[in-house]
Amino acid sequence: NAGVMQNPRHLVRRRGQEARLRCSPMKGHSHVYWYRQLPEEGLKFMVYLQKENIIDESGMPKERFSAEFPKEGPSILRIQQVVRGDSAAYFCASSPGTLGQETQYFGPGTRLLVL
Amino acid sequence: SQQGEEDPQALSIQEGENATMNCSYKTSINNLQWYRQNSGRGLVHLILIRSNEREKHSGRLRVTLDTSKKSSSLLITASRAADTASYFCATDNTGGFKTIFGAGTRLFVKA
Repeated sequence: NAGVMQNPRHLVRRRGQEARLRCSPMKGHSHVYWYRQLPEEGLKFMVYLQKENIIDESGMPKERFSAEFPKEGPSILRIQQVVRGDSAAYFCASSPGTLGQETQYFGPGTRLLVL
Repeated sequence: SQQGEEDPQALSIQEGENATMNCSYKTSINNLQWYRQNSGRGLVHLILIRSNEREKHSGRLRVTLDTSKKSSSLLITASRAADTASYFCATDNTGGFKTIFGAGTRLFVKA
């Protein structure tokens, strides 16, 4: 059973471009979480999704950021018109979503660098 | 915002010594989790302790939870150089969906 997959592992964008980060959860997991980690800081929750639904997006910046988890395919975190402050590591985690199985399994992260 | 807070922020010990890291949080929780992150890598789940548990062991790891003080500790016994990493605590709060992470403790184990 492959773990959580994220791609790309590294992404370089110029200011104003769009960044798309992909996350494929573990097989059988229907819940996906996105976190951002700034250098030398802890992880900050961004958004929690189930298939086709956003459950909690209280950690998402109001503008330029969006996330989706379609019925088929990976979850996508999209950052429009990137700025230097968006440079960070973005981690995705997945969980089965069943009661009593709350452990989140993390992907390796995507390191975004905005020039 | 409500976050777990680890202390110390950084810890340097000799191989073979024990390492203790603490975590405090602010609200009622369903469970508390500890994760390890090696430099430049993703997080690895270490252990989960539920709010009705007081202590849990896994190999060289021992986690305690004191819900009255809203605190937890992670003890790594007989540390090894390979234990060098950042350690994060995370809480699943009651009534909420998201997991809240602290800023982490950076552990350095000298060979």
